[in-house]
Order: sequence, then structure tokens, then C-alpha cells
Amino acid sequence: EAGVTQFPSHSVIEKGQTVTLRCDPISGHDNLYWYRRVMGKEIKFLLHFVKESKQDESGMPNNRFLAERTGGTYSTLKVQPAELEDSGVYFCASSQEKMNTEAFFGQGTRLTVV
Amino acid sequence: AQKITQTQPGMFVQEKEAVTLDCTYDTSDPSYGLFWYKQPSSGEMIFLIYQGSYDQQNATEGRYSLNFQKARKSANLVISASQLGDSAMYFCAMRERTGGFKTIFGAGTRLFVKA
Repeated sequence: EAGVTQFPSHSVIEKGQTVTLRCDPISGHDNLYWYRRVMGKEIKFLLHFVKESKQDESGMPNNRFLAERTGGTYSTLKVQPAELEDSGVYFCASSQEKMNTEAFFGQGTRLTVV
Repeated sequence: AQKITQTQPGMFVQEKEAVTLDCTYDTSDPSYGLFWYKQPSSGEMIFLIYQGSYDQQNATEGRYSLNFQKARKSANLVISASQLGDSAMYFCAMRERTGGFKTIFGAGTRLFVKA
């Protein structure tokens, strides 16, 4: 069974540019989450999809971030325009709708804004 | 308010010894799950162990055990017989039913295993 996959693994962009991160969850997982870890700090929740609907987007830092989940399958997270403070590792995770199952994480996308 | 608190930014342990990583949590939801993840230097998040709020016994997975003290709202991770490969960041995490099952994390503890 394929795990959660994220593309790209690394991205270096200039301030003001646009970047789109992609996440393919485990097949059959309705729940999809985006997290961000800024260097040396905790992993912060960004948002949560249930199928194609945004269940909770309380962690999105500002309106420069836009997440979508087309047809309840893969998800994209777009940052436009990128700022220096957006640098960090963006993790995607997916899970089943059960309390006792862990969230499976992708490898993360390391975003560097210069 | 902090939902998950890990008070140890860094810990050292001698190889082959046991180590306890602390985690306390805050929730008013009677139904929740507690998780520990390991993040080695390569960056991936590796699930280690799970404890449900209604579980009567402490969870164990190989060398990992979770010391669950519900009344104190603590869920400490115990790693027995530490190995050099255990050096990594360790995150305590929680899922609540009222939170829509989203996983929230503590700040993490960096564990260093000395040879």
C-alpha cells in the first residue's frame, strides 16, 4: 500500500513568487491534514479536510495560503506571494475517521524562501 | 492554551539505558487518543505508539511503552534499552473527537543517545 506522498521534496523560491505543494493521501483516507514546522519550533496545524470539504482551517496563517482538495483525493497548498517567514517544512498527513488510528505522514516539503 | 506540553527540549541518555520523555495534555473531551511520533534527522514522521483515553492498560510496542496517568493527564514515553538509532526528535500528540480528529503536537523533545 502506497503511503502519503508529497511533491516536491524541496523547493527554493524567491520572496514574492508562488509555490504549490501537493499531497497524495493514502487511498481511502477521507481525512487530510496540512502541518508546518518552522525551524526549531513545534509542528503547527494548518488545516483539515474531510473529503473535499475544509473541516477546520483555523491554523492557516493568512490569506496568502490557499488549500484545495479536488474531488476529495489529492490536495494542494499554494502560497502566493511567498514571504521569508513561510520557510519551513510542510507536512501532509492522512487518516481514517477513527480515533484509534494514527495519522500517516508524508515525507514533507522543505520550503525555503530567499 | 497549550494542549500538549513537552517540558524537555533536550535529553541525553546512555546507550542501553532507559529514558522517559514527558508529555502532559489538556482536554475536556472524554474521548481522545494520544500518540508518540519519532522524527529522525531524515525528516520523516514515524508513528511509535498509541494510547486511547478509555484504555485500561498502558500501551506497549517493543521497546516503547506509554506511561498513561489519566488523572494527571500525562502520557510519558518510556524507551527501554536505548540504541544509537533512537537519537531523534520525539513528538507527543493528541486527537480529540471534538477536534474533528485532527492531530495536535507538542513542541518535541530532542533525544541524544550517547555511546
